[in-house]
Amino acid sequence: DSGVTQTPKHLITATGQRVTLRCSPRSGDLSVYWYQQSLDQGLQFLIQYYNGEERAKGNILERFSAQQFPDLHSELNLSSLELGDSALYFCASSVAGQGSPGANVLTFGAGSRLTVL
Amino acid sequence: GNSVTQMEGPVTLSEEAFLTINCTYTATGYPSLFWYVQYPGEGLQLLLKATKADDKGSNKGFEATYRKETTSFHLEKGSVQVSDSAVYFCALSNQAGTALIFGKGTTLSVSS
Repeated sequence: DSGVTQTPKHLITATGQRVTLRCSPRSGDLSVYWYQQSLDQGLQFLIQYYNGEERAKGNILERFSAQQFPDLHSELNLSSLELGDSALYFCASSVAGQGSPGANVLTFGAGSRLTVL
Repeated sequence: GNSVTQMEGPVTLSEEAFLTINCTYTATGYPSLFWYVQYPGEGLQLLLKATKADDKGSNKGFEATYRKETTSFHLEKGSVQVSDSAVYFCALSNQAGTALIFGKGTTLSVSS
């Protein structure tokens, strides 16, 4: 158990629907990162939050959004789903914020597998 | 921009064989470099890291040396086991507190 909890583990839905993926970071970690893993694109960084504020954006579609709540858990919202959104979505957390010393080691959750039919 | 390039897999080896998985990177400044491993059905786990040139990261018999002159961070293990079968990802971070940039991953399959 990495200490990063993601729910649900599996989700099957239809095109056009909306889903929410949830992540609880490791205790003490302030940064949360969302990644999408697909066979053709590999691991793509979507978005990062640090202590409740958006810190960085990667290849996140406009149909996707995220937030980090005061208790530091985060949710990734995926809307108007398309077949191509089927993927594994990983959440990771780290203690570091920008300017922190040392390497930024990310701890990953087990992932949420989304299947869009 | 920053990027990581890994050798394409799959890599298929017999138990006790020597393993090398190549990784090169493009980055400004002095990034930190990582190897993560993903076992079937699981999330990524940190395998080893190196934060400056000539550093050697090591863990569970795996090693990788940060070579700035060749912008490389190749993963090696002297004698692989069946339990090492997994997907291995090379990654870099240009600054503490920023997201990691991953390579596409290399699948290793070890048979007894």
